Amino acid sequence: SAVISQKPSRDICQRGTSLTIQCQVDSQVTMMFWYRQQPGQSLTLIATANQGSEATYESGFVIDKFPISRPNLTFSTLTVSNMSPEDSSIYLCSVEGGQRVGNIQYFGAGTRLSVL
Amino acid sequence: AQTVTQSQPEMSVQEAETVTLSCTYDTSESDYYLFWYKQPPSRQMILVIRQEAYKQQNATENRFSVNFQKAAKSFSLKISDSQLGDAAMYFCAYHASGSRLTFGEGTQLTVNP
Repeated sequence: SAVISQKPSRDICQRGTSLTIQCQVDSQVTMMFWYRQQPGQSLTLIATANQGSEATYESGFVIDKFPISRPNLTFSTLTVSNMSPEDSSIYLCSVEGGQRVGNIQYFGAGTRLSVL
Repeated sequence: AQTVTQSQPEMSVQEAETVTLSCTYDTSESDYYLFWYKQPPSRQMILVIRQEAYKQQNATENRFSVNFQKAAKSFSLKISDSQLGDAAMYFCAYHASGSRLTFGEGTQLTVNP
């Protein structure tokens, strides 16, 4: 299994500001993912973070709002830009060790974001 | 598109009893994987169990087992000898080649002492 460190664990931010969330893995992984979990709801995939290329965004999510970096095979960041109260959610990163179907995804502990 | 449905938003069980959480899914694929994840109040998503669709034998992990009915596209989770630490939100998930991991809406499990 992979050990994932996600920072910060929680934050309270003002409307209009930006927050960068970090995800560090203890081993090199091919696939890294960022999810949003709104209060009381399931996980929604924001984007897949690709090493050496731009992230692949899901429908409804855009790079200007959620820029992602993936400088190497063990680290990624997600920025939530120009925040509004609707961005208050838990943000989780996950990793998958390879491209074989069914590889288990391991998750970080999540970042609880509250926007005032 | 694949969909995963958990029809029980909430379930409760007495400590030491057995509970079954339901999950159905829709797919046209023949090769895929199914998962149950647990999310306690700490928010950490923890893998409980994994089932490969090409295997007829139901997966088992200690007190956790699944009833995988491929033709019916059903994948239920049975928790035996329930413990207080089992209280969490449980998510069923589906993954096939070329698709993203798809989660159900979750079932909140309460364990009563």
